Amino acid sequence: GQQVMQIPQYQHVQEGEDFTTYCNSSTTLSNIQWYKQRPGGHPVFLIQLVKSGEVKKQKRLTFQFGEAKKNSSLHITATQTTDVGTYFCAGPNNYGQNFVFGPGTRLSVLP
Amino acid sequence: DTGVSQNPRHKITKRGQNVTFRCDPISEHNRLYWYRQTLGQGPEFLTYFQNEAQLEKSRLLSDRFSAERPKGSFSTLEIQRTEQGDSAMYLCASSFLAGVPYEQYFGPGTRLTVT
Repeated sequence: GQQVMQIPQYQHVQEGEDFTTYCNSSTTLSNIQWYKQRPGGHPVFLIQLVKSGEVKKQKRLTFQFGEAKKNSSLHITATQTTDVGTYFCAGPNNYGQNFVFGPGTRLSVLP
Repeated sequence: DTGVSQNPRHKITKRGQNVTFRCDPISEHNRLYWYRQTLGQGPEFLTYFQNEAQLEKSRLLSDRFSAERPKGSFSTLEIQRTEQGDSAMYLCASSFLAGVPYEQYFGPGTRLTVT
C-alpha cells in the first residue's frame, strides 16, 4: 500500500537555528498537505502544494513540492519557541478520497 | 466557536465495554473524517462521509467499529467490545469540498483509555 515517510523523526535545535523536515511518498502524489500539531493539541492545516516544483512561503516557513511529485520539504528559518510541535505531511491515497499521513517530525526549540 | 467539536474529550472504559463518540463538524462542511492517532504517530484514516454517505472505510476498521452520520450533520463512532489496543486519540475532521481541496479542520479529539 501507499506509504508516506518523514525524516528526521526528531529534531532539537537552538532558537534561531534553521530546521528542515523531508517527506517522501512511495507513489506520485496529486498534491500534498502539511499540518502542525502542538503538544497536546490537534493537527492544524498549514498549506497545500499541487504543482510539480512548487514553492510556497509563509513568513519564515518555506514549503517545496518535488519535481517528480513524490517528495516535499518544509524549511523553517530562524526557529522560535512558538515553532515547537510535530509537523506532518499528508498525501491523498490511491483513490484520492482521503489522506495518508506521515509519522511526523517532532521539533524541539531550545531557548 | 464554530470549529469542529468532539465529545467526550476523555473516556476511560473497561475492556469489553462499548463506547460511542460524537463529532460535530463545521456546519457548512460536507465531508467528515475519522482518524485514530497513537503516541508518536500520525493520524491513521478510519473512515469518511460525504454528506450522510459513508464512502470509504479503512482496513483498520474491524467489525467492532461502526460510524454513522445521520442527515449529514454530526457523526458518531462506536466501538463495541473494546480492547486495550483500542486505546488512542480519536480525531474527527471536516472539510468543504468546494474550498481548498480537502483542507481538513480537526477537532480536539477524544482520548480513549481501555483498562
